[in-house]
Parts: sequence; C-alpha cells; structure tokens
Amino acid sequence: QVQLVESGGDLVKPGGSLRVSCAASGFTFRDYQMSWIRQAPGKGLEWISYISNGGDFIYYVDSVKGRFTISRDNARNSLYLQLNSLRAEDTAVYYCARENYGKFDYWGHGTLVTVSS
Amino acid sequence: EIVLTQSPGTLSLSPGERATLSCRASQSFSSSLALAWYQQKPGQAPRLLIYGASNRATGVPDRFSGSGSGTDFTLTVSRLEPEDFAVYYCQQYGSSPYTFGQGTKLEI
Repeated sequence: QVQLVESGGDLVKPGGSLRVSCAASGFTFRDYQMSWIRQAPGKGLEWISYISNGGDFIYYVDSVKGRFTISRDNARNSLYLQLNSLRAEDTAVYYCARENYGKFDYWGHGTLVTVSS
Repeated sequence: EIVLTQSPGTLSLSPGERATLSCRASQSFSSSLALAWYQQKPGQAPRLLIYGASNRATGVPDRFSGSGSGTDFTLTVSRLEPEDFAVYYCQQYGSSPYTFGQGTKLEI
C-alpha cells in the first residue's frame, strides 16, 4: 500500500537550517508529482512547494521562496525539503503528499519543525 | 491567489443528523470542478474525501457527497456517524498556487 514517511523535524533556532525527508513506498514514485504542505499549531493547511515527477518543474509559495528548496531522488524514492533562514512563523508540522492531478491523495503522518530560541 | 472561505467555522450536530458545509471561492478557477475536500482528525494527517467537486475517493462512505461548481461548493454528510466529527478543509487545484480553506470544525 502507499506509504509516505517523513523524518528530520527538530527544534531549530531562528536563522537556522534543517532538512526534512519523505520516504515513499507502495507506488512508482517517479511517476508522481509531490508536494510539501505545512500546518502551524492549531491552524489550517498551507501548500508550500511542489516538484514535478522528473524534478524539472518546481514551485514555491511566496512565504518560503528563496529560503526553502525542494528536491527529489527518484532512485531512492525520496522527497526532500531544505529549510534555511528559519523563522518562528515556520513552526509547523510538515507533510509530504502525493499529488494526483492536483488533488493530494496520500499524505504522510508529518514531521514537526519548531523554530525557537 | 484564490481565497477559499469555509462556513460555518464550527458546526454542532448530533449523530444521525445531516451536515452541510460550504466552501466559497474568491474567483472562478480554470477548471470549475477542481475542488477537493479533506477530513482531518486530531493528531492525524488529512484524508482525501472528495475530488473533482463530487467524486468520492477510494474507500469513502457514500454518506459523504460533494456538489457545486464555479465559486460555490458544498460537502454534505447525509447521516453523521460518531467517527465523522473532525475538521474539514476544501482545496482548489484549478489555479496556482493551490489553496485551502480555513476549515470547518464539525463537533458533537
């Protein structure tokens, strides 16, 4: 069955960096576009980044553009998000999700990133 | 950016009752049916319920139905079960960036 497992969340100081990962299994990873979606504590969902199946098309929401970098390794069935210049408002659970013609049909359990001094 | 406004913010109902949740878009998107609904329970990831405005995702009970087009969409739960009490989000994928509504909490 489809599984997405995030890892790498941690407590980081403002201005710091972190890389979160998502390990995919149960489907042909290279055939699907993938996204990162975050949820601040007690808040709603925010789609923040997308990568095409081949990695040649990438999108970022304005709030993370220039600070976050999405990438994927299709040989390792893995998705990554490099988070730099972290701010308190980046504190959230980060979900990876499989995109299927725009809808997110499978989600991981999420990994918590906390930005605090 | 398309803003999705969900109403009500909180809906208080009892098991067995019918729930009607609304999602209104600030403008039409390129594909007027590019709207999905998700259910999220505490401590869990969201789960896809409805896509294409009215298509149930795999394994979703038929008491869940979606309708609407253009800028006005509705999620209906025909007869609430105890496990349906959760937060529901709509999402549009007809225009970049994809956006979510702020959520409706369905409480007992």
